[in-house]
Amino acid sequence: AQSVAQPEDQVNVAEGNPLTVKCTYSVSGNPYLFWYVQYPNRGLQFLLKYITGDNLVKGSYGFEAEFNKSQTSFHLKKPSALVSDSALYFCAVRDILSPWNTNAGKSTFGDGTTLTVKP
Amino acid sequence: DADVTQTPRNRITKTGKRIMLECSQTKGHDRMYWYRQDPGLGLQLIYYSFDVKDINKGEISDGYSVSRQAQAKFSLSLESAIPNQTALYFCATSVASGSEEQFFGPGTRLTVL
Repeated sequence: AQSVAQPEDQVNVAEGNPLTVKCTYSVSGNPYLFWYVQYPNRGLQFLLKYITGDNLVKGSYGFEAEFNKSQTSFHLKKPSALVSDSALYFCAVRDILSPWNTNAGKSTFGDGTTLTVKP
Repeated sequence: DADVTQTPRNRITKTGKRIMLECSQTKGHDRMYWYRQDPGLGLQLIYYSFDVKDINKGEISDGYSVSRQAQAKFSLSLESAIPNQTALYFCATSVASGSEEQFFGPGTRLTVL
């Protein structure tokens, strides 16, 4: 089985401050991890992913995420938040070693975290 | 993402009606997915298809059916709509590799009265 948790429904930060959106996961094998962003009345857009290699992954719009295997976490970060970063953020996980007839090819999404950046 | 289109974008219907939501993609991807989004519940997988002849149930397939008419087209049907199927529905695509991200359509907002 695979699962992902986003412990915060809402994160509020001031513009210019650093932001963190938290994500923890559970898989049987090793994970592929993804972050997506959803703006109002839009579909989800891919931000970044961890597949293998360097634990710090850089993505679109200045976002980055750090893979921590011991803590089973993949927190999304940005050094300086912008008002335009305000959106709904989803973490997703896919188990690399899933057998073909179970989770293979399927991503499990968290419930989402609403980020609000205030001027 | 304009490469993945969904029709209609909004639909209001009545209980018991049959509804079809359509998804088309120009990305050339083999894999297509249908998700449902409810407030506070994230995305739930309804059905997914790895190619035209490979269709699989997701987490919440009851009350839904799908058809993969071609590589580029994947339709979702509600045979007899009920009010708790009121939600935002997303189609997504990906290449045939577990490490690749998904590309989402703009969504269909469905209201069942």
